[in-house]
Amino acid sequence: QQQVKQSPQSLIVQKGGISIINCAYENTAFDYFPWYQQFPGKGPALLIAIRPDVSEKKEGRFTISFNKSAKQFSLHIMDSQPGDSATYFCAASKETSGSRLTFGEGTQLTVNP
Amino acid sequence: DSGVTQTPKHLITATGQRVTLRCSPRSGDLSVYWYQQSLDQGLQFLIQYYNGEERAKGNILERFSAQQFPDLHSELNLSSLELGDSALYFCASSVRPNRGEQYFGPGTRLTVT
Repeated sequence: QQQVKQSPQSLIVQKGGISIINCAYENTAFDYFPWYQQFPGKGPALLIAIRPDVSEKKEGRFTISFNKSAKQFSLHIMDSQPGDSATYFCAASKETSGSRLTFGEGTQLTVNP
Repeated sequence: DSGVTQTPKHLITATGQRVTLRCSPRSGDLSVYWYQQSLDQGLQFLIQYYNGEERAKGNILERFSAQQFPDLHSELNLSSLELGDSALYFCASSVRPNRGEQYFGPGTRLTVT
């Protein structure tokens, strides 16, 4: 059962543009929502995360928007750069139950120069 | 660099064989997680340890087992290997099991021939 659905599967953006990746979850018990960035041949790197008590979190060019009622959250990358080209994974976990991460399918982002 | 180390980086072995993957968590982290990444299944949680004790199990086959040692390093043992076990295996660590932030190692690429 896929509990976290991610879209789009791939995304091409021009340098300086905004990249938007969306995720939807089913389990209302999830209470921690991170985004990971993965470059080829590397492990996923924690990028930014949010908990359900806030609707938005911003760190530099990266912003998470969270809609608890719709059970959706999204990653916005402002002023996208070629160096942002990577695969992005959303995930969700229940911190009170050990925090195992359930991942979305991933989005391959390409930022053209 | 996340501070999580994994060895070996690559492993090529034959069907029916047994291998051991090793992980050292970040300094101070007590909880270790193992994940499998494959093209068809994505990133899947396998098993979690906290301070030497098994904490949670996910989609881990009976042919697979793991343990966490007193120095907190962890080993994932894969036996009776099949072609379908070929994947990237990641270890992640967190300070404690009820904290969502997990930091991933560089992974071990297992190829079963």
